[in-house]
Amino acid sequence: DAGVTQSPTHLIKTRGQQVTLRCSPKSGHDTVSWYQQALGQGPQFIFQYYEEEERQRGNFPDRFSGHQFPNYSSELNVNALLLGDSALYLCASSLFTGSSGANVLTFGAGSRLTVL
Amino acid sequence: KQEVTQIPAALSVPEGENLVLNCSFTDSAIYNLQWFRQDPGKGLTSLLLIQSSQREQTSGRLNASLDKSSGRSTLYIAASQPGDSATYLCAVRGTKHMYSGGGADGLTFGKGTHLIIQP
Repeated sequence: DAGVTQSPTHLIKTRGQQVTLRCSPKSGHDTVSWYQQALGQGPQFIFQYYEEEERQRGNFPDRFSGHQFPNYSSELNVNALLLGDSALYLCASSLFTGSSGANVLTFGAGSRLTVL
Repeated sequence: KQEVTQIPAALSVPEGENLVLNCSFTDSAIYNLQWFRQDPGKGLTSLLLIQSSQREQTSGRLNASLDKSSGRSTLYIAASQPGDSATYLCAVRGTKHMYSGGGADGLTFGKGTHLIIQP
């Protein structure tokens, strides 16, 4: 049973560059959420995608954008990278059940982004 | 704005001890509370999920309780083992519906408790 897969696992960028991170949800899941986890901190919610639309967004600037494809996979794009964007980016998937609060998230191992 | 606090930030105990990790949240309007484990440099593994209507959940040596009215949860680990060493994160899901029919809200996490079990 394939869980959530993320790529790349590690990457290094310089300030001002753009980055794209990818996520394939767990088989049977249709909803993808993205989280940013800075060193020593808990994950912070970036946004969530369902039916190829952004459904909810956390407190992140427009430099952070995303996309969901018909096969439910998702991308996270970050433009104009800042040093403070260095973090572990986690993707989580779930199945929309129509009953809020009942769905358990399955997390991937994350993509470690370092901005120099 | 929901805030989640975890105490202690770090804990080191000898193998075999029973221990309690604490989590508090400021807004009691939650759907559920979840405890996760995170190994260094890795993603999150869900340990226990407690719905707002429940008081506790158990899985093996783990027991999590929820007191929604007071905004508190505890994770009890019995007979700790070196393999339990990890960071334990508490997260709550709020009650705000993001679209009709419900759906998942973003989780609010604490900063975690870094646990070391000494052999």
